[in-house]
Amino acid sequence: NAGVTQTPKFQVLKTGQSMTLQCAQDMNHNSMYWYRQDPGMGLRLIYYSASEGTTDKGEVPNGYNVSRLNKREFSLRLESAAPSQTSVYFCASSPSRLVRLGEQYFGPGTRLTVT
Amino acid sequence: GENVEQHPSTLSVQEGDSAVIKCTYSDSASNYFPWYKQELGKRPQLIIDIRSNVGEKKDQRIAVTLNKTAKHFSLHITETQPEDSAVYFCAASSYGGSQGNLIFGKGTKLSVKP
Repeated sequence: NAGVTQTPKFQVLKTGQSMTLQCAQDMNHNSMYWYRQDPGMGLRLIYYSASEGTTDKGEVPNGYNVSRLNKREFSLRLESAAPSQTSVYFCASSPSRLVRLGEQYFGPGTRLTVT
Repeated sequence: GENVEQHPSTLSVQEGDSAVIKCTYSDSASNYFPWYKQELGKRPQLIIDIRSNVGEKKDQRIAVTLNKTAKHFSLHITETQPEDSAVYFCAASSYGGSQGNLIFGKGTKLSVKP
């Protein structure tokens, strides 16, 4: 099992450009999450999906959109990138639909720089 | 909504000493408290978690205690080793949205000096 995979690993964008971060898991997990990690700020939830076909906003959803394409894949889209979106982005998945019932497994991260 | 405070932000100990990291949370409805370890350049990984129906849980050299009345929980690492050096994050469950999610503390950078 590959676990949780993310592409790309690194990306540099210019302000105003758009891009999609891809995430896939092969553990048959129900829930998937997108976090951003900034120095001194910990992990902040952007969006999550408790099951295929559903998505919910997290703490910091502004400037992002998500799509739960199927049970395996959960993508994060930046429509018009801004320097404030420079961060490391982690995708995670969990077997349970309820956060209190399961461990979250993280992908390796995508380091995004917006100039 | 839930707010999680984590202290200290940095912690340096000698190999073999104990390390304690503390977190407080604000939402009395929270009932799941995991701890994640993140080595430099790597992904976060769960090391231990506790649910609100227990006060303490141990796994070899690590333990977590929970005080629901005071709304705080702590990570204890005994007999620290250089490979324990990492950033540790606490988290608490939150029930905003349809299924809830985790709110993370800002992290503690632990350095274990040989």
